[in-house]
Amino acid sequence: GQQVMQIPQYQHVQEGEDFTTYCNSSTTLSNIQWYKQRPGGHPVFLIQLVKSGEVKKQKRLTFQFGEAKKNSSLHITATQTTDVGTYFCAGPMSGAGSYQLTFGKGTKLSVIP
Amino acid sequence: NAGVTQTPKFRILKIGQSMTLQCTQDMNHNYMYWYRQDPGMGLKLIYYSVGAGITDKGEVPNGYNVSRSTTEDFPLRLELAAPSQTSVYFCASGKQGLPDTQYFGPGTRLTVL
Repeated sequence: GQQVMQIPQYQHVQEGEDFTTYCNSSTTLSNIQWYKQRPGGHPVFLIQLVKSGEVKKQKRLTFQFGEAKKNSSLHITATQTTDVGTYFCAGPMSGAGSYQLTFGKGTKLSVIP
Repeated sequence: NAGVTQTPKFRILKIGQSMTLQCTQDMNHNYMYWYRQDPGMGLKLIYYSVGAGITDKGEVPNGYNVSRSTTEDFPLRLELAAPSQTSVYFCASGKQGLPDTQYFGPGTRLTVL
């Protein structure tokens, strides 16, 4: 079945360092979404990318969708302690509507002050 | 708007007991979902609904049942609880259309002993 893989599983960074998480799908995706889950919290939608090669920015966060629409990345510049949490990518299930998502296992980010 | 609300927040069940996890949304979303999240894992879709009276199985439906009699409510029923159902359960709602955002509830932490 469809798989969405994320690497790394964990990342520890010093505050101020950059951070990148990568997402790879076994199938071509119509779009990809990113969510953030704070410790003890629930996933919160960050962004959706639709176009091949698309790049979107939200302040210090940069999201990219690969040309082949099978991979994506999230880059955080100059991490802050407020960035702590687990970042998930999610793509529509193969053969399903865009509302059914397959989630990656997430990258857990720790920021050392 | 309260968004997506879930009750209870925590529950301990004995093996073989049954319970219903409640989920309500006040955003008039057609789509609703139930996910489970195990430690270090992503979110697995249990059941989903595209509107009142319509439900369908997700990736891991065994041991669960749902109903959708109204737009607002989407309860998840566990029959004959098993230790493998120990998890955090998230309800989510959303609408189709860019972005296809899913809004998550705060979760129910369930332990089966």
